[in-house]
Amino acid sequence: DTGVSQDPRHKITKRGQNVTFRCDPISEHNRLYWYRQTLGQGPEFLTYFQNEAQLEKSRLLSDRFSAERPKGSFSTLEIQRTEQGDSAMYLCASSSPGQGRDQSTDTQYFGPGTRLTVL
Amino acid sequence: GENVEQHPSTLSVQEGDSAVIKCTYSDSASNYFPWYKQELGKRPQLIIDIRSNVGEKKDQRIAVTLNKTAKHFSLHITETQPEDSAVYFCAASVTDSWGKFQFGAGTQVVVTP
Repeated sequence: DTGVSQDPRHKITKRGQNVTFRCDPISEHNRLYWYRQTLGQGPEFLTYFQNEAQLEKSRLLSDRFSAERPKGSFSTLEIQRTEQGDSAMYLCASSSPGQGRDQSTDTQYFGPGTRLTVL
Repeated sequence: GENVEQHPSTLSVQEGDSAVIKCTYSDSASNYFPWYKQELGKRPQLIIDIRSNVGEKKDQRIAVTLNKTAKHFSLHITETQPEDSAVYFCAASVTDSWGKFQFGAGTQVVVTP
């Protein structure tokens, strides 16, 4: 399978615990995105990497959230001191540079997501 | 800020009929509009996209239209089949951000045999 993969697929944790998710993008893609999706809503942007550089973070991302992509390949998203409101599906997507000079038009391919439940 | 509104939130159609989902966006400089289909428990999958230099695009039973002046775009599914049942999301690119999309809230499409 050469698509975007995420691990774990499901995570149940107790409030206050730390959790870490992993995303492996499509191998030739240098752009990686994290989204959060709650029931009945579309994905909400959290953060974005180009290679190893984290270029943008949403204001939705509190200080308890941190993401890394140390070698420009896989990425991790860590949530510290989880709260019940963190329960959601965490989606990762990847893309490669768009054609031409307009780089806002990359096609993003999503992984299967990690469903987090905070008890 | 950027905002994408999607209507309807739910859509029930008889098999063989057409389904239309509409989205409006606020960022006049948005130039890329993908549509994703998400089946229950599965990842969003790109089904069609359109760029701002094109007014319409078609791929078999699926078509997307874009009206830049009115800032709205629509997904059209013809000859619907039960396997078209899913949640469909529209999205618009955000111009002040590299590659960031703003998604609509989704439309639950149910195709009844």
